[in-house]
Amino acid sequence: DAMVIQNPRYQVTQFGKPVTLSCSQTLNHNVMYWYQQKSSQAPKLLFHYYDKDFNNEADTPDNFQSRRPNTSFCFLDIRSPGLGDAAMYLCATSRDMGGLTEAFFGQGTRLTVV
Amino acid sequence: AQKITQTQPGMFVQEKEAVTLDCTYDTSDQSYGLFWYKQPSSGEMIFLIYQGSYDEQNATEGRYSLNFQKARKSANLVISASQLGDSAMYFCAMREDVNRDDKIIFGKGTRLHILP
Repeated sequence: DAMVIQNPRYQVTQFGKPVTLSCSQTLNHNVMYWYQQKSSQAPKLLFHYYDKDFNNEADTPDNFQSRRPNTSFCFLDIRSPGLGDAAMYLCATSRDMGGLTEAFFGQGTRLTVV
Repeated sequence: AQKITQTQPGMFVQEKEAVTLDCTYDTSDQSYGLFWYKQPSSGEMIFLIYQGSYDEQNATEGRYSLNFQKARKSANLVISASQLGDSAMYFCAMREDVNRDDKIIFGKGTRLHILP
């Protein structure tokens, strides 16, 4: 059974039209991550939540926002998608145990901007 | 500064041979975790193996083992008896937790091709 679920799997959006990607988890993990992965590149950390504490990476554009209304759900909002935002977006969750536990990934949302 | 370095962009290996994927890391923390993930062309990220910084034994999971050399800050992945299905992208990653700033950072990856 899937433990980290991302919806939708594929998203096509228009240039400049706001889009929201969602992630849900059944693991009750308190840490959640959002990554952007462009073709043939490493996943790049955009931001993460430690409980309700939000940590934004310094180089994450302001165009990207996130919400975590409860432990189970996390959303990635792209306010005005550009062509350069086309990528795979990966959500991951983990427990906080001093860095000694793995992260579980969802299957990703592949975003296309037209 | 790059925290995770994978120096092999691509590798070609004959089926049934063992393969070592290199990974070096940089951290000043005493407590951290090191991971390897496999990403096939479908895009999903599959967890393979992890090593905690305080673990004295090298981690093993089936055909996967992690050659952890703490003093050299290296965490190489060894795949024994490679199979065609092992062809994929492989990422080394490190987790640090500094005052609730809990990050997992990935290296650039190694694309592994297994030849029949």
